[in-house]
Amino acid sequence: GDSVTQMEGPVTLSEEAFLTINCTYTATGYPSLFWYVQYPGEGLQLLLKATKADDKGSNKGFEATYRKETTSFHLEKGSVQVSDSAVYFCALSPPSDYKLSFGAGTTVTVRA
Amino acid sequence: DTEVTQTPKHLVMGMTNKKSLKCEQHMGHRAMYWYKQKAKKPPELMFVYSYEKLSINESVPSRFSPECPNSSLLNLHLHALQPEDSALYLCASSQGDSSYSPLHFGNGTRLTVT
Repeated sequence: GDSVTQMEGPVTLSEEAFLTINCTYTATGYPSLFWYVQYPGEGLQLLLKATKADDKGSNKGFEATYRKETTSFHLEKGSVQVSDSAVYFCALSPPSDYKLSFGAGTTVTVRA
Repeated sequence: DTEVTQTPKHLVMGMTNKKSLKCEQHMGHRAMYWYKQKAKKPPELMFVYSYEKLSINESVPSRFSPECPNSSLLNLHLHALQPEDSALYLCASSQGDSSYSPLHFGNGTRLTVT
């Protein structure tokens, strides 16, 4: 079945550091790929998405590129802030379906 | 502010109580979802309503009973819960049943069963 694998956390960084969270997936066909973020005490928010190969999603300084050849959708940000501290979930939904498969989540803490 | 509103924010209930969780969205979305999230885990899908009809039940115990009174509202009725049902319950909506439609989540109801 479809699945998502994320790098294990927690990740602790200093402000202005570079952040990468690895995400790889297993799916048939061409799924849509998403990154969601969950701030403490809140629900999940869509951070960015990509619906086809080579698409790049971007938002709030975060970027991820849909790589079909490596079945990956790694999240990157060039300079993190304390306010980026959150749990990040990679997710996919298969074609013609809206059931999301989530990765395990990566907790990111950014220190001033 | 989230566009999906959930009430209450917190709920404590005994194992013999009956309570309901409520969810509302006014984005014109036609699919609505209930998820359960345990601490430090990803959300787990419970139910999906598409065009006000139950389309997915992920083998959820009958002590959880969903209801979709109209396209904007989604309820989750709770009865005879167990302590292990304590979790964050998230409601979400999406434009339709396409994989391209991202989910919009509420901030959840944190449920404690005593």
